[in-house]
Amino acid sequence: GENVEQHPSTLSVQEGDSAVIKCTYSDSASNYFPWYKQELGKRPQLIIDIRSNVGEKKDQRIAVTLNKTAKHFSLHITETQPEDSAVYFCAAKGRGSSNTGKLIFGQGTTLQVKP
Amino acid sequence: DGGITQSPKYLFRKEGQNVTLSCEQNLNHDAMYWYRQDPGQGLRLIYYSQIVNDFQKGDIAEGYSVSREKKESFPLTVTSAQKNPTAFYLCASSLNGGDTEAFFGQGTRLTVV
Repeated sequence: GENVEQHPSTLSVQEGDSAVIKCTYSDSASNYFPWYKQELGKRPQLIIDIRSNVGEKKDQRIAVTLNKTAKHFSLHITETQPEDSAVYFCAAKGRGSSNTGKLIFGQGTTLQVKP
Repeated sequence: DGGITQSPKYLFRKEGQNVTLSCEQNLNHDAMYWYRQDPGQGLRLIYYSQIVNDFQKGDIAEGYSVSREKKESFPLTVTSAQKNPTAFYLCASSLNGGDTEAFFGQGTRLTVV
């Protein structure tokens, strides 16, 4: 089945610096890659997603890149702010014979932005 | 108020007892999911359902059971066979099993006493 690996597990940056979180997936048929942000005590919420027919997507300070050949995708946050501090999860939704509709998450990255 | 609702927020169970966690959505979504969240382990998929009356096992289904008799409801039963049930449980739904956003409930924290 699908497996998603996420790195690093923790990331500390200074306010204003950039942060990059990387994920790899195993099912080459996966076609949907969302990123979620979970603040302390709250539910995960979608911040950006990318589909397999594009290589990059940007939304203000957040961007995601996808390399289908290498089966990895990354989240880039520029000009980080203290309110970006949270746990970030990548995910992949499968389309293989045994994985269709299956939404698998990475282990999460705790991002700390220091003022 | 539309959305996905889990209840209760906190649940205590004695060892050896089964307990059922509720998940209801009024978003008219076909797909629903159950995840378990433990520190440092991310969100692990327990069960998922793409349509009423159908569901599939996720990566950690042992000791859990589900039903999907109605489109809006996907209850999760934690049985006595689950060796380490204390965890935070999250339910989610999406429009369908394709490339659509999943929305999460607020979660249920289960503690075995």
